[in-house]
Amino acid sequence: SQTIHQWPATLVQPVGSPLSLECTVEGTSNPNLYWYRQAAGRGLQLLFYSVGIGQISSEVPQNLSASRPQDRQFILSSKKLLLSDSGFYLCAWTGAVGWYTQYFGPGTRLTVL
Amino acid sequence: DAKTTQPNSMESNEEEPVHLPCNHSTISGTDYIHWYRQLPSQGPEYVIHGLTSNVNNRMASLAIAEDRKSSTLILHRATLRDAAVYYCMWRQPNNNDMRFGAGTRLTVKP
Repeated sequence: SQTIHQWPATLVQPVGSPLSLECTVEGTSNPNLYWYRQAAGRGLQLLFYSVGIGQISSEVPQNLSASRPQDRQFILSSKKLLLSDSGFYLCAWTGAVGWYTQYFGPGTRLTVL
Repeated sequence: DAKTTQPNSMESNEEEPVHLPCNHSTISGTDYIHWYRQLPSQGPEYVIHGLTSNVNNRMASLAIAEDRKSSTLILHRATLRDAAVYYCMWRQPNNNDMRFGAGTRLTVKP
């Protein structure tokens, strides 16, 4: 069966520090991968998605970036965090074909102080 | 941008049916409609999906309008554990990104 992992689960970082969040998927190959951000009490904002290694589509201009160095690994990064980067970050995957049901990871709660 | 429209919040009594509406007027003919729900501090979980016909599974039923511009998620007997934010969404045509609406916060009263 497929499993999606995210780490860390929680993170507290000072403004201006770098960020690296990792997401890995097991039990499937060539998934589409997604990063979402959810501000407190708000809906899901799509940040990036990837349909293959090295292929990244960005939805929102910001100081975040994403990379996909391996088929089942998706990384969200920042060189300098802003206060507004605080939120709940979710990784998700879908199959590359079919009806694109999304499966979400447990999320990382990021607090920037 | 493709959009879905849902009420911000709804309330239900325990053991009663709940009908959660969603409008998706710009959906294309081949895109599936999906529903997810999110409990506090968790990632969303899949509930149900459909294309044209009404669908049933162990969690819920999905009723899709004949013109596909709206759908309704039906919880037949709400329980306290069904209290969550419910999102409907669909895939944009010719694209692999997924966009969620603002969701409906369902409160279930005992």
